[in-house]
Amino acid sequence: AQTVTQSQPEMSVQEAETVTLSCTYDTSESDYYLFWYKQPPSRQMILVIRQEAYKQQNATENRFSVNFQKAAKSFSLKISDSQLGDAAMYFCAYRSWGGSQGNLIFGKGTKLSVKP
Amino acid sequence: NAGVTQTPKFQVLKTGQSMTLQCAQDMNHEYMSWYRQDPGMGLRLIHYSVGAGITDQGEVPNGYNVSRSTTEDFPLRLLSAAPSQTSVYFCASSRGRGNQPQHFGDGTRLSIL
Repeated sequence: AQTVTQSQPEMSVQEAETVTLSCTYDTSESDYYLFWYKQPPSRQMILVIRQEAYKQQNATENRFSVNFQKAAKSFSLKISDSQLGDAAMYFCAYRSWGGSQGNLIFGKGTKLSVKP
Repeated sequence: NAGVTQTPKFQVLKTGQSMTLQCAQDMNHEYMSWYRQDPGMGLRLIHYSVGAGITDQGEVPNGYNVSRSTTEDFPLRLLSAAPSQTSVYFCASSRGRGNQPQHFGDGTRLSIL
């Protein structure tokens, strides 16, 4: 069974600085998808960025980028120029390529605080 | 376009009571899922459906029932509520498999006394 581990329960960053959130996963599959979701205090689950395992190029969405290391089974999220609105829980998630189950396996989350 | 709609947003039950959490999506998505979120545990899959008439168990299915009679609706039933089911419940939907993101509802905060 696949597992997702986020080893940093809490992180803090100064506004305008850069922060990296860690995520590792365990799988025997060669094809899969990885996601980062943001959950602000409003409780909404918001997709931040996604990565296909077959793509070597790291995904980027504006100030958000990932460092995907397939061999190391690592999928970290970098937030550049941090803003107060980035304060939230961040969840790393894994999704199998195929099979009958197309659902997400989540890590336990990292709570990010942004200091003004 | 409402996306994924969950009702109610908050609910308090007494132990032993039953209730149904409603979930509806208007995006014609095949996949629908129910997750529960507990402090320090992330989100865990309860049940899921790959289409109307097809459901299956996730990681934590005990105490919950689901059915999917239409593409749009995927209700979650608590047959006899227990304090251990106090949680925030999320419904999600997605178009097929792959890198299509799951769209989440706003969640239902459920407290069992």
